Amino acid sequence: GENVEQHPSTLSVQEGDSAVIKCTYSDSASNYFPWYKQELGKGPQLIIDIRSNVGEKKDQRIAVTLNKTAKHFSLHITETQPEDSAVYFCAASDSGGYQKVTFGTGTKLQVIP
Amino acid sequence: NAGVTQTPKFRVLKTGQSMTLLCAQDMNHEYMYWYRQDPGMGLRLIHYSVGEGTTAKGEVPDGYNVSRLKKQNFLLGLESAAPSQTSVYFCASSSAQGLTEAFFGQGTRLTVV
Repeated sequence: GENVEQHPSTLSVQEGDSAVIKCTYSDSASNYFPWYKQELGKGPQLIIDIRSNVGEKKDQRIAVTLNKTAKHFSLHITETQPEDSAVYFCAASDSGGYQKVTFGTGTKLQVIP
Repeated sequence: NAGVTQTPKFRVLKTGQSMTLLCAQDMNHEYMYWYRQDPGMGLRLIHYSVGEGTTAKGEVPDGYNVSRLKKQNFLLGLESAAPSQTSVYFCASSSAQGLTEAFFGQGTRLTVV
């Protein structure tokens, strides 16, 4: 089955700096890669996603890159703000299979003012 | 703009007791999912449904049952709770398969003593 590894498990950055979270996946059939932000006491919220036919996607301060050959994808947050502090999860999905969604173990991001 | 609503938000059970967690969505989504979240393990799929009247097992289904009698509701049942079921439970729904563009509820924190 699919295996998704996520690094680092914790990340502290100064406000205004960039943060990068990396994930690798094992199943070449995976073709959809969402990223979720989970604030304390809340459910995960989709913040950006990318499909396997795209190499990079941006949305304001966040961007995701995908390298299908190497089977890794990354989340980039620029100009970090205190409200970016949260746990971030990556996931990999074979959109043809309802249960084939595997989550990473999460990265706790702390943005220090 | 309720989205996905889970009840209850918190619950403490004694070993052997039963309970039902309710998930309701108002987005007319076909697909609904139940996940559990444990420290350092990300989200793991318990059961899912691809439409009213259908259910299927996910990655960790043992000890749980589900029902989808109405399209908007997805119920998760614990017939005989065990301490190993202490976790945070999340419901999600999506309009497309494979958890694409999914919305999560706020979670239910369950403790089994």
